[in-house]
Amino acid sequence: EPEVTQTPSHQVTQMGQEVILRCVPISNHLYFYWYRQILGQKVEFLVSFYNNEISEKSEIFDDQFSVERPDGSNFTLKIRSTKLEDSAMYFCASRLSGSGYNEQFFGPGTRLTVL
Amino acid sequence: SQKIEQNSEALNIQEGKTATLTCNYTNYSPAYLQWYRQDPGRGPVFLLLIRENEKEKRKERLKVTFDTTLKQSLFHITASQPADSATYLCALLNTGTASKLTFGTGTRLQVTL
Repeated sequence: EPEVTQTPSHQVTQMGQEVILRCVPISNHLYFYWYRQILGQKVEFLVSFYNNEISEKSEIFDDQFSVERPDGSNFTLKIRSTKLEDSAMYFCASRLSGSGYNEQFFGPGTRLTVL
Repeated sequence: SQKIEQNSEALNIQEGKTATLTCNYTNYSPAYLQWYRQDPGRGPVFLLLIRENEKEKRKERLKVTFDTTLKQSLFHITASQPADSATYLCALLNTGTASKLTFGTGTRLQVTL
């Protein structure tokens, strides 16, 4: 069964450093998302991406964040200058196009620890 | 302001019983409501979707109801098993092109022998 994959599974970085989190969505999906979950809190939407551009972003997704689909398979989230409060699980998700295909498939997540 | 509340942070039930989880929302007009399962350290896994014009949806031992007047969804697991122990998330789907999910805080279900 096709699945969303994410690398790395765990990333440790120093405050102020740049990190890139990588995702490979399911191959025929067209909508891509990043969510995050701070330990013990709810899953929060960050950004959605369709047709090579951002469709929607939350207040969390400020100028420090960016997303890119550099080739036909990868979808990346970059945090330019990490802060302590960026420590969280980051989940990538994807779904098929069309209003009937609303199920989102989530990856296993990347645990980001900012020291 | 918009709120999604899952009334129980944790629910403990005995194997074989029916678990009922509640999701209430305010200041939303969702077109769809979804339920996901999340195991520790893992991503959410889709379980069921129910549309605003549907009252009830079933899938094997799972049943979801949606009352847009009460602004509430109930999620039932019948004949519960220890393997059903997980956190269950309610998520509202906003209409629009991107269809971002807005999640509740989740209910942690523990099924004991």
